[in-house]
Amino acid sequence: EVQLVETGGGLVKPGGSLRLSCTTSGFTFSSYGMNWVRQAPGKGLEWVSFISSSSGISYMFYADSVKGRFTTSRDNAKNALYLQLNSLRDEDTAVYYCARVCGGDCQNFDYWGQGTLVTVSS
Amino acid sequence: SYVLTQPPSMSVAPGKTARITCGGNNIGSKSVHWYQQKPGQAPVLVISYDSDRPSGIPERFSGSNSGNTAALTISRVEAGDEADYYCQVWDSSSDHFVFGTGTKVTVL
Repeated sequence: EVQLVETGGGLVKPGGSLRLSCTTSGFTFSSYGMNWVRQAPGKGLEWVSFISSSSGISYMFYADSVKGRFTTSRDNAKNALYLQLNSLRDEDTAVYYCARVCGGDCQNFDYWGQGTLVTVSS
Repeated sequence: SYVLTQPPSMSVAPGKTARITCGGNNIGSKSVHWYQQKPGQAPVLVISYDSDRPSGIPERFSGSNSGNTAALTISRVEAGDEADYYCQVWDSSSDHFVFGTGTKVTVL
């Protein structure tokens, strides 16, 4: 059974940093691209970042709203995905989900975690 | 950046048909995916590549995509279909995944 579990959320002051983790099981993690998607309270889904599978050189893409502040990475030995959040702003408050891209050149997210809440407030 | 526009909300009676639209510039040239999200839960993929249903998704869910509009159709609506629905594409010109604005479906 495919499972994605996010951890690391919490309360942080504006300008602060946080590191989110997504621990996975039930599939060959290194073979899949992975994403972070967030959802502000009462708002819609917003894609945050993508990291490719580890076949070849990994590449990353970021939403314009987080580029230069957030960094996504992966540790295939630990089957884990990470998101480093720096220079946090009030508007970064959201539930952060990790989501698997369905494989190969697939363009949708077939499995999601339950999310971890990040609250940015003074 | 590429924008996907959905109606904010719609209401439908049980047993009737709900059609949720997703508008985007020449969206017919892209593959559209649809997600259902119930309160407090993670999204679930209900339609992939315009009209494919993942395993476990009822046949009542179908999709279409042409021109500037994609659509998710839910036939014979049930109370359990009450949820938020989002369309999503991959925008190759910006290397971004894009979600629609979301539609809240209320079953009367």
